[in-house]
Amino acid sequence: DTGVSQDPRHKITKRGQNVTFRCDPISEHNRLYWYRQTLGQGPEFLTYFQNEAQLEKSRLLSDRFSAERPKGSFSTLEIQRTEQGDSAMYLCASSLVGGGTDTQYFGPGTRLTVL
Amino acid sequence: TQLLEQSPQFLSIQEGENLTVYCNSSSVFSSLQWYRQEPGEGPVLLVTVVTGGEVKKLKRLTFQFGDARKDSSLHITAAQPGDTGLYLCAGYTGTASKLTFGTGTRLQVTL
Repeated sequence: DTGVSQDPRHKITKRGQNVTFRCDPISEHNRLYWYRQTLGQGPEFLTYFQNEAQLEKSRLLSDRFSAERPKGSFSTLEIQRTEQGDSAMYLCASSLVGGGTDTQYFGPGTRLTVL
Repeated sequence: TQLLEQSPQFLSIQEGENLTVYCNSSSVFSSLQWYRQEPGEGPVLLVTVVTGGEVKKLKRLTFQFGDARKDSSLHITAAQPGDTGLYLCAGYTGTASKLTFGTGTRLQVTL
């Protein structure tokens, strides 16, 4: 399977705990994006990387959220001191810039439930 | 403010019927993508449209990008139960690198 993969697929945690999600993009893609999707809504942009550089962060990304892409390949998204409002689907996407239309391909997502 | 409005929000039809989903904005998009998403899964890309007035066909699905690149439509002919899902339009505005998603249209096709 050469698509975008995310791990874990589901995470249940208690309020106040820290969680970390991983995303492995399509191997030749240089851009990696994180989005959050709540029930019944379209995904909302959180942040993106070009190679290892984090180029943009949304105002949705509070100081409890941090994302890294240390070697320009996989990325991690960490949420510290989780709150019930963090419950959502966290989606990762990747794209190849310079190939034309910068089409983003999405992974299956990580469903986070904060109790 | 939602940049991309989709209509209708919900659509329940019977197998064999035709339908059209609309994606409208007051902003100009450099490209627009349509995705379908099933429960518990990530969005799956259906098509990317780039040129104003462009029409693309994917089997029973026809996608159109408005001449002014502010709107798009998705038409499904002879819908099947396998078409059931959440349809999302998403686009890039200006030099932005992030996708702005529409509000989504949830389609249910019954036998």
